[in-house]
Amino acid sequence: GESVGLHLPTLSVQEGDNSIINCAYSNSASDYFIWYKQESGKGPQFIIDIRSNMDKRQGQRVTVLLNKTVKHLSLQIAATQPGDSAVYFCAEIPWGAGNMLTFGGGTRLMVKP
Amino acid sequence: DGGITQSPKYLFRKEGQNVTLSCEQNLNHDAMYWYRQDPGQGLRLIYYSQIVNDFQKGDIAEGYSVSREKKESFPLTVTSAQKNPTAFYLCASSITETGGYGYTFGSGTRLTVV
Repeated sequence: GESVGLHLPTLSVQEGDNSIINCAYSNSASDYFIWYKQESGKGPQFIIDIRSNMDKRQGQRVTVLLNKTVKHLSLQIAATQPGDSAVYFCAEIPWGAGNMLTFGGGTRLMVKP
Repeated sequence: DGGITQSPKYLFRKEGQNVTLSCEQNLNHDAMYWYRQDPGQGLRLIYYSQIVNDFQKGDIAEGYSVSREKKESFPLTVTSAQKNPTAFYLCASSITETGGYGYTFGSGTRLTVV
């Protein structure tokens, strides 16, 4: 698994608005995707996952959308709250890679009160 | 409670010193991983192990060493050969079965060279 060593893009949203965080993946053979949330100074925490035989999956206030045609994954957060401020990483498992995750570069979400 | 524990939370190293970061899990996971995270950046894989007494280099293994003598433990040594060791280090564990399962992460160790 590798990640991009670039500084993170930032998404700034108003409290109460919906947030959409995007992730482009490179391997068309990937068949499992995860979103992680990392708060400052802490380890990443699992938010939601989706398999390649699905286009959409919903959790509590979060929805993940998978567009395999353009190899794009998005995380939607409804009614964004200050506690949602964090860095969000997507990760994928290419088919045949066992359980080795490949992480995307991450996006920093900042929620303005 | 099952989980993964990293210690210490903060670690200071002098130039030329080796230091060892601890990672212990009681999740009965076969696989364990070490990642490095620099400020404002993503995760980079240092080493991983999918079974006891075996481990593989990741993308940035130079200057680091690991051991996997027990299933529960995967310590990382940052050697003096690592020229820029100041970073946030994350340990993770997972099952190894194919099918797609996430990693469980520890809370990290912040290493600073003084």
